[in-house]
Order: sequence, then C-alpha cells, then structure tokens
Amino acid sequence: EDKVVQSPLSLVVHEGDTVTLNCSYEVTNFRSLLWYKQEKKAPTFLFMLTSSGIEKKSGRLSSILDKKELSSILNITATQTGDSAIYLCAVEGYSGGSNYKLTFGKGTLLTVNP
Amino acid sequence: EAQVTQNPRYLITVTGKKLTVTCSQNMNHEYMSWYRQDPGLGLRQIYYSMNVEVTDKGDVPEGYKVSRKEKRNFPLILESPSPNQTSLYFCASSPEDRATTNYGYTFGSGTRLTVV
Repeated sequence: EDKVVQSPLSLVVHEGDTVTLNCSYEVTNFRSLLWYKQEKKAPTFLFMLTSSGIEKKSGRLSSILDKKELSSILNITATQTGDSAIYLCAVEGYSGGSNYKLTFGKGTLLTVNP
Repeated sequence: EAQVTQNPRYLITVTGKKLTVTCSQNMNHEYMSWYRQDPGLGLRQIYYSMNVEVTDKGDVPEGYKVSRKEKRNFPLILESPSPNQTSLYFCASSPEDRATTNYGYTFGSGTRLTVV
C-alpha cells in the first residue's frame, strides 16, 4: 500500500522565519510528487517534482526531491502571515497498466504569526 | 475560466436517501478523481477515472459509485448514505500528460456533506 508521511504535523513560526516541511514516501512505481497549499478551500497546486525535474522554485517557495531517500522538502523563506495554511504532499504512482493514483499525506499545518 | 465545478457546496441529508454530487471540468482533462477529507486522516481517494467509461477504485470506495459517460462530468453517487460518510469531498481533474507539462491536479471548491 502506498504511503506518504509528512512532518511536522504542525508548526508555528514568526513572520520572516524560514521553514522546511518534510515529506517521505513509499510508493510502487513512482511517477511524481506534488505539493499543494490548502487554506480554507480547495488545495491549490504549488509544485510537481519528477525523476526528470527534482528541483523547483517559485518566489519564496522551493522544493527538492531526493529520489535516493524517497523524500522531498518544501522550503519557505521570509514567511508571511499569508503563508499560513495546510501544506499537502501527494505522491503519484502507477497502479497497473496505464492507471495511476494519487496518495496524500496528512499535511503540515503552518501558522505564521506577525 | 478553467475550473472544476462541484455542486452542491453544502448538503445535509438523512441516512439512506440517495444523493449525487456533481463534478464538471471545462479543461478537456482525461483524468478525474474524487477524494474525501477528514480530520486526522487527510485526503483519501475514493474513485478515479482515466477517461470516458474507464473508472477504478481508490483507497476508500465502499458506499460510493461513480460514472464517466462524458469526458467533462464525473458524478459521485451515494446510494444509501450513512453518518460515517459525513465529510468534505473534493473532485479533481488533470491532463493525462501531466508529468511532461508540469501541470498539477485542479481541485473543485469542495462539497461539505453531513448525513444525519
């Protein structure tokens, strides 16, 4: 059974701090790893990492995939109160034939205080 | 605007009364899926569909049905809802060639279902 574990489950920081969120996985036939940000509504897409694209950056956010350690980190520098959200890690694996499925971790709740 | 539309946003129903949650996407995506989100359990996949008339079970399919008669629509059917199906439900879609286009899954706004 595919498994995704995120840590920490919850994190409280002050504005301006840098945070690192962790995601480790066990999945059959890895295809991609995705990071999402969820505020009060639906998850919004941040990054997708694959075997051919192991590092992504967008503004203050960046992510790296470690294929050897089966893990990924999401870094947020100079945090702002608007970064407060649940950050979800999901891993996509082939489940047979051309089918694939997405397995989510339980998320990291990040709270950024002013 | 490219989006995934779910309806209704909120629904309170009674045990045993059949209901359907609709999901529609306007991006011509091949892949669609349903998730439920529960405190402490995260997002869990219920069913997914690779394309029209192709569906498969996710991790928690019991008590649910789906159909994919058209590419844009992927309704979730609860034939006989029970209180343990009270949850926040999300529909999502993506193109099949996601890995080469760096395109993640697009989620709908969610349906909060309460079964009493």
